[in-house]
Amino acid sequence: KAGVTQTPRYLIKTRGQQVTLSCSPISGHRSVSWYQQTPGQGLQFLFEYFSETQRNKGNFPGRFSGRQFSNSRSEMNVSTLELGDSALYLCASSGGPAETQYFGPGTRLLVL
Amino acid sequence: GEDVEQSLFLSVREGDSSVINCTYTDSSSTYLYWYKQEPGAGLQLLTYIFSNMDMKQDQRLTVLLNKKDKHLSLRIADTQTGDSAIYFCAETARNTGGFKTIFGAGTRLFVKA
Repeated sequence: KAGVTQTPRYLIKTRGQQVTLSCSPISGHRSVSWYQQTPGQGLQFLFEYFSETQRNKGNFPGRFSGRQFSNSRSEMNVSTLELGDSALYLCASSGGPAETQYFGPGTRLLVL
Repeated sequence: GEDVEQSLFLSVREGDSSVINCTYTDSSSTYLYWYKQEPGAGLQLLTYIFSNMDMKQDQRLTVLLNKKDKHLSLRIADTQTGDSAIYFCAETARNTGGFKTIFGAGTRLFVKA
């Protein structure tokens, strides 16, 4: 099976802009989770989507949003970018009896 | 509340064994995981253990689970320079929204040649 793919891999934006990141899960997986990873804060959970519905949510401001399509592909959007949004954004798709998470390579976002 | 704690750094010599420790708080955890992250990459699932097991061995990796103390460890035998990475411990428990996975902050393993 193909693994989790994320696009784009690298992105440079300026403050105030908005950005959309994409994640394609492993075939058959219906759950997609998003994480933000920074050197200072570590791995932080953003939200999880299951069958097109947000099932769990972390403690991030409303500027961070996501959605999931009927084919389980997911997008996350960050509006009004801030310098502190510079991070590695990781997507994980889940499957199996305990919904084990499998991660994509990440999208590295730099906000200038 | 739910929490997973790990020490931040570990340094070993090449050829020695590495032991990375983790403690968790949720007694209803079903699976416990170890992930490896190399620089600039995503997290790679290394191994996992079901909560009713005490030990799991997979080649150079040995996972030990002490459910009474809520303590999980990962032993890497014959540690190589290619094992240098960040290792994340994670627990998964069922909640009303399905399963929820909590990650530790990661242990950075340095392997000295």
